[in-house]
Amino acid sequence: NAGVTQTPKFRVLKTGQSMTLLCAQDMNHEYMYWYRQDPGMGLRLIHYSVGEGTTAKGEVPDGYNVSRLKKQNFLLGLESAAPSQTSVYFCASNRQGATEAFFGQGTRLTVV
Amino acid sequence: DQQVKQNSPSLSVQEGRISILNCDYTNSMFDYFLWYKKYPAEGPTFLISISSIKDKNEDGRFTVFLNKSAKHLSLHIVPSQPGDSAVYFCAATTEDYQLIWGAGTKLIIKP
Repeated sequence: NAGVTQTPKFRVLKTGQSMTLLCAQDMNHEYMYWYRQDPGMGLRLIHYSVGEGTTAKGEVPDGYNVSRLKKQNFLLGLESAAPSQTSVYFCASNRQGATEAFFGQGTRLTVV
Repeated sequence: DQQVKQNSPSLSVQEGRISILNCDYTNSMFDYFLWYKKYPAEGPTFLISISSIKDKNEDGRFTVFLNKSAKHLSLHIVPSQPGDSAVYFCAATTEDYQLIWGAGTKLIIKP
């Protein structure tokens, strides 16, 4: 059971570089989310999607873009990375109407 | 303004005793409250939830209590085991199923 898979697990970027984080889920879930977790804080929602082809902004969307071209994949893009985007990023998914979400293992991103 | 607050960054409990983790919230419109457990280098995993129309939910060693008038919920773990050492997050669902998270409480179970 793969569940929710995030790639890559670790990445170091230089300021101004771009990258894409990939999230894939094999549970046929409608909803997918991208969160970031910073020390001393809970998870903060960046963007989310309620279905293929739809995305919406969360609490902290600035500096990020997302795409959900296929139901099983949710991509998070950083166009011009900044040190403030150094964080651990988590992807999650759940069924429509379900309260429980399933999380990937996280991506530790450092921007220098 | 934090809508979900976990005011204790850490908690240390003796193995075999009861662990009580607390969570406060400000939005009376939250539908569900959930507890997630997180080990280092892993994503959070769902532990237990409670509907806003209930005041207690139990699952094995884990019980969640909800006090709506005080906007407070707590997670009780009895008896505490070494494998319970982790960070515990309280979260609440909004009407459109977004999750609002607390900052987490690190639980340390001492042998």
